[in-house]
Amino acid sequence: EIVLTQSPATLSLSPGERATLSCRASQSVSSDLAWYQQRPGQPPRLLIYDASDRATGIPARFSGSGSETDFTLTISRLEPEDFAVYYCQQRANWLTFGGGTRVE
Amino acid sequence: EVQLLESGGGLEQPGGSLRLSCAVSGFTFSNYAMAWVRQSPGRGLEWVSGVSAGGGSTYYADSVKGRFTISRDNARNTLYLQMNSLRAEDTAVYYCVKDRFLYGTLISYFDYWGQGTRVTVSS
Repeated sequence: EIVLTQSPATLSLSPGERATLSCRASQSVSSDLAWYQQRPGQPPRLLIYDASDRATGIPARFSGSGSETDFTLTISRLEPEDFAVYYCQQRANWLTFGGGTRVE
Repeated sequence: EVQLLESGGGLEQPGGSLRLSCAVSGFTFSNYAMAWVRQSPGRGLEWVSGVSAGGGSTYYADSVKGRFTISRDNARNTLYLQMNSLRAEDTAVYYCVKDRFLYGTLISYFDYWGQGTRVTVSS
């Protein structure tokens, strides 16, 4: 099973600041990685797939990068609605999720 | 508008059974693989099972293999999860999810999620 480790566990920032979230895979997943956002009381929402492609309707301030084992989700300027938990997910070898990063 | 509406969750004793349903609308159900993903405080997000667009192929996580059965009725636009021999560790919110890609594989990304149905396994 591929383990995805997200860091930091919590990121404390202010609106307007830049957020950089990390996801590290225990073995290569090529570019088969997605990012999701989960707000309180809501299901996860797909933000990025194939490491860097934005899903439909996702604002341009969200961007993804990386390949193989190291991936980054960047939120260029935090809006109030961006304070949430973010998860990465790989599909290279079955399907696993990371433990999440809370942006507060 | 895409909608996925789960039902069937509740409190069940260890060893018992539950059947989850997911009624979908807003897209051509028969063109997309579907899956169930669960979330619990202890195990986080966990993919449970997936079914191909036509229903002929199914996959299961090792943790539920032999106990859970996924199926779909494309005429009724409904996805199901039959859960037998329930354990305490099956306690979670269960989400019905749609594959991101048309005629995609069963191992994919998920672009639409239902609101979830809570399953609690306890005596």
